[in-house]
Amino acid sequence: DGGITQSPKYLFRKEGQNVTLSCEQNLNHDAMYWYRQDPGQGLRLIYYSQIVNDFQKGDIAEGYSVSREKKESFPLTVTSAQKNPTAFYLCASIRTGQYNEQFFGPGTRLTVL
Amino acid sequence: KNQVEQSPQSLIILEGKNCTLQCNYTVSPFSNLRWYKQDTGRGPVSLTIMTFSENTKSNGRYTATLDADTKQSSLHITASQLSDSASYICVVNTYNAGNMLTFGGGTRLMVKP
Repeated sequence: DGGITQSPKYLFRKEGQNVTLSCEQNLNHDAMYWYRQDPGQGLRLIYYSQIVNDFQKGDIAEGYSVSREKKESFPLTVTSAQKNPTAFYLCASIRTGQYNEQFFGPGTRLTVL
Repeated sequence: KNQVEQSPQSLIILEGKNCTLQCNYTVSPFSNLRWYKQDTGRGPVSLTIMTFSENTKSNGRYTATLDADTKQSSLHITASQLSDSASYICVVNTYNAGNMLTFGGGTRLMVKP
């Protein structure tokens, strides 16, 4: 089965701790994205990467970090500097072509205790 | 500033009834517009994608329309089912670096028996 996987589905963190969210895709897509979703709001872009070893900040990158060492993997670290990290995090990748269709993973819900 | 506005924010209908969701955008330059369905706690799933030259596209009981002149789109759901209960997100893609997407805030649809 081809697709995007995110783990874990639910994650709990104590204040002051860093935590890393996993995102893996076997679709052979070059570009990968991380979004944050809060209740009643549209998705907001945290970071994106168009090729391996390169990534760019999105609209709300502060308090987050990423790496792109492999084409298949784009992990997101939520650092203690992120003041309000409780949210639903979505990873996505793009199939380039006529529509540049974006595919989403199942999401990770992060709760800070 | 690129924006996507959706209305209504929430909607309750009875099973079997039709409904129409609205999306207005000010994204430029325009590449394509997508409608996604997002079940609670899951990643969005694509329903339709339309370029500026396509003014209608169907996917089963879902029919999307696009008026590129007025920058409006609608998603019509026919003969609603309980499984249609979800958030519906309008997303506009621009032609620029990074294949940027602008997300609407979504319409939360509840179908009642």
